[in-house]
Amino acid sequence: QKEVEQNSGPLSVPEGAIASLNCTYSDRVSQSFFWYRQYSGKSPELIMSIYSNGDKEDGRFTAQLNKASQYVSLLIRDSQPSDSATYLCAVDSGGYQKVTFGIGTKLQVIP
Amino acid sequence: AAGVIQSPRHLIKEKRETATLKCYPIPRHDTVYWYQQGPGQDPQFLISFYEKMQSDKGSIPDRFSAQQFSDYHSELNMSSLELGDSALYFCASSLYGQETQYFGPGTRLLVL
Repeated sequence: QKEVEQNSGPLSVPEGAIASLNCTYSDRVSQSFFWYRQYSGKSPELIMSIYSNGDKEDGRFTAQLNKASQYVSLLIRDSQPSDSATYLCAVDSGGYQKVTFGIGTKLQVIP
Repeated sequence: AAGVIQSPRHLIKEKRETATLKCYPIPRHDTVYWYQQGPGQDPQFLISFYEKMQSDKGSIPDRFSAQQFSDYHSELNMSSLELGDSALYFCASSLYGQETQYFGPGTRLLVL
């Protein structure tokens, strides 16, 4: 079992809709969680980081963390075609600086 | 703001040749990470350095080595290149104690 699980997609949503991206992780001691956006052939770009249970909002993005369920999600409100990319969930290795990435979910926002 | 710099951006090599990739972290960042990303794959952690010492090791082949220098830049040395080494190689940097990593633009390596 991969340490960080994501549905590879593609996830297709119409422009203006809410996109919901999900991620589960296996290491219970993980404390730091990140969402990166990656356009094809480009480097991962940090979107959100979250460390505590609950929601964290930044503009159109909301990260949600539930450590009991080992689940982290990213909501994108008012999705735009420019949001079309692969979204990588990354989780720390419980005290070590290394993070482990999920396979990424490909999001397609349909105009 | 200054970002992570990687060079070269593109590199073409023949099988069994060697390659050296360079990474210059964000100013004041003291920790450097190397990742390999194949087509359609997630970034695979190779190795990391803090204060010129190896801090963690991932799936780095024995044919590869890396080091961090006193100015915190890092080099990834790849020898006896194989076709399967063709990938995007990313460097990321962070401040020790902060897990947030910032990625460079990557080096696209093609082994023929």
